[in-house]
Amino acid sequence: KQEVTQIPAALSVPEGENLVLNCSFTDSAIYNLQWFRQDPGKGLTSLLLIQSSQREQTSGRLNASLDKSSGRSTLYIAASQPGDSATYLCAVNSGYSTLTFGKGTMLLVSP
Amino acid sequence: NAGVTQTPKFQVLKTGQSMTLQCAQDMNHEYMSWYRQDPGMGLRLIHYSVGAGITDQGEVPNGYNVSRSTTEDFPLRLLSAAPSQTSVYFCASSWGQGQETQYFGPGTRLLVL
Repeated sequence: KQEVTQIPAALSVPEGENLVLNCSFTDSAIYNLQWFRQDPGKGLTSLLLIQSSQREQTSGRLNASLDKSSGRSTLYIAASQPGDSATYLCAVNSGYSTLTFGKGTMLLVSP
Repeated sequence: NAGVTQTPKFQVLKTGQSMTLQCAQDMNHEYMSWYRQDPGMGLRLIHYSVGAGITDQGEVPNGYNVSRSTTEDFPLRLLSAAPSQTSVYFCASSWGQGQETQYFGPGTRLLVL
């Protein structure tokens, strides 16, 4: 059974810092890995999708890496802003487009 | 495109009542799925479908029923609501099995008293 772990569970940083969120998974037989953002009381917004054959993806200030063999992914956020405050979820697709989620990292960026 | 829509946004039920959570997508996606999100548990897969007429169970299927008669719609039925089913329910869809981004609906908040 696939299990996904996210570390840390919560993170508080001052505005402007670069930060790294970590995700690990137990079964390397994945199709892809996706990072989502969730604001309180809201739905999920897809940030980045990394295919199993890729090593990284970038979108603006966000960069996600994937090391499938070691079962690890990182989400790097550059020059953090208060608007980045949200919960970040990592999810792996092991087939049939069904996702196994981590419990998330709650990020607070203070002005 | 409306994307993935869910109705209702919020619902209160009494124990033992039944109801259907609606999910629809207008992107012609073959793959659809239902998740529930609970504090401390994250999102867990309830049921999924790989096309019209084809459904299968996920991690937490007990107490829920699904059917997929059209590509667009994937309703989730609670047969006899229990307080343990109090949760936020999300529907998701994607075009392909493993290459595509998953799109999520806005969620339905369900409170079972």
